[in-house]
Amino acid sequence: DAKTTQPNSMESNEEEPVHLPCNHSTISGTDYIHWYRQLPSQGPEYVIHGLTSNVNNRMASLAIAEDRKSSTLILHRATLRDAAVYYCILRTGANSKLTFGKGITLSVRP
Amino acid sequence: NAGVTQTPKFRVLKTGQSMTLLCAQDMNHEYMYWYRQDPGMGLRLIHYSVGEGTTAKGEVPDGYNVSRLKKQNFLLGLESAAPSQTSVYFCASSQATGITTRQELFFGEGSRLTVL
Repeated sequence: DAKTTQPNSMESNEEEPVHLPCNHSTISGTDYIHWYRQLPSQGPEYVIHGLTSNVNNRMASLAIAEDRKSSTLILHRATLRDAAVYYCILRTGANSKLTFGKGITLSVRP
Repeated sequence: NAGVTQTPKFRVLKTGQSMTLLCAQDMNHEYMYWYRQDPGMGLRLIHYSVGEGTTAKGEVPDGYNVSRLKKQNFLLGLESAAPSQTSVYFCASSQATGITTRQELFFGEGSRLTVL
């Protein structure tokens, strides 16, 4: 399975945008880029996913590099509730499982 | 709509005891997964199932067995618990994937298992 690389941690101020980077240099043409987050003492929850084009939803935006070797999860206005571990994961389209790494721990300062 | 429900939420076992964790989903999902998460670590896949009556090994299957007799249920069994199996266990489910979207995994709240 293709792997992803994320920084261990990042800090942000409340109400400011946050850009969480992810490198996936061995991504294949059929791999979808997924982001999940895990709030303290909870199960992971889906945030967003994409293949080639940038994606937006109510939670976040996903910016995918043109060569697809990296991507960035963008939280437009961080809140205290956004403090969590964020996982960047690659998934091949059909019949595949998600493999989680250690993720990036986001801290949000009031 | 309950989503993914795990039982029990907490359990303490002695070494050598057996137990079963139950995962139930009410979303008619084809795929179900069992993960474990140790302190400071990401999730590691134990076993998964792509449909009723089928199971497959994940990253760390040793010491665990699974069964998917009904589409809505995925059971994780520990035949002889060991302290190394102390962990938080998460179940997840997803719809069958295809070329288009809806590949989202829905997770339960977790089951905290301690083996003494």
